[in-house]
Amino acid sequence: DTGVSQNPRHKITKRGQNVTFRCDPISEHNRLYWYRQTLGQGPEFLTYFQNEAQLEKSRLLSDRFSAERPKGSFSTLEIQRTEQGDSAMYLCASSLVGGDEQYFGPGTRLTVT
Amino acid sequence: AQTVTQSQPEMSVQEAETVTLSCTYDTSENNYYLFWYKQPPSRQMILVIRQEAYKQQNATENRFSVNFQKAAKSFSLKISDSQLGDTAMYFCALTSGTYKYIFGTGTRLKVLA
Repeated sequence: DTGVSQNPRHKITKRGQNVTFRCDPISEHNRLYWYRQTLGQGPEFLTYFQNEAQLEKSRLLSDRFSAERPKGSFSTLEIQRTEQGDSAMYLCASSLVGGDEQYFGPGTRLTVT
Repeated sequence: AQTVTQSQPEMSVQEAETVTLSCTYDTSENNYYLFWYKQPPSRQMILVIRQEAYKQQNATENRFSVNFQKAAKSFSLKISDSQLGDTAMYFCALTSGTYKYIFGTGTRLKVLA
């Protein structure tokens, strides 16, 4: 059990570019969550998966955001046509179904210039 | 809607002293869980302590304990014998139903030598 991993750890991109982040959950965890954390704020829920099914999406997740979890293993979060307001830390977490404790990854810090 | 409020943006405590971080929440659910997570500088969030709403007994984990007042919707964290390694952001979180977390804005705790 190596914990939740996220790549890349840091990403700097220019406004208008597309970016993709990856999250590898703890291997036996079938739930996977994405959160966004801006400076001085707590993490805000974006979306979550149970296995490969995306079961809930926040209104924060605009049409420019898309998340996938093929085969119920790793997940990707893509942001198209990035804007400066997208600059934030993107956190991934995983848990077991029926388990209330989530295990967090180190996050991907996105800076849009 | 569920909300979590942390009214102390920053706190400091002398090493070996005791400090209490405050958290209030609002939910209409009967079954929910409350957590305190610690986020050290540039490191991932880790669980400090959890409390099931149906349990009246306050949770304790070594130097960390909570004061759970269900009627008042209050969930404070007490850290005894503070150590330099306790310096971090502390987030209070609430979950029920789909198990997505609702976080507070955090309290930055600094332990002074």
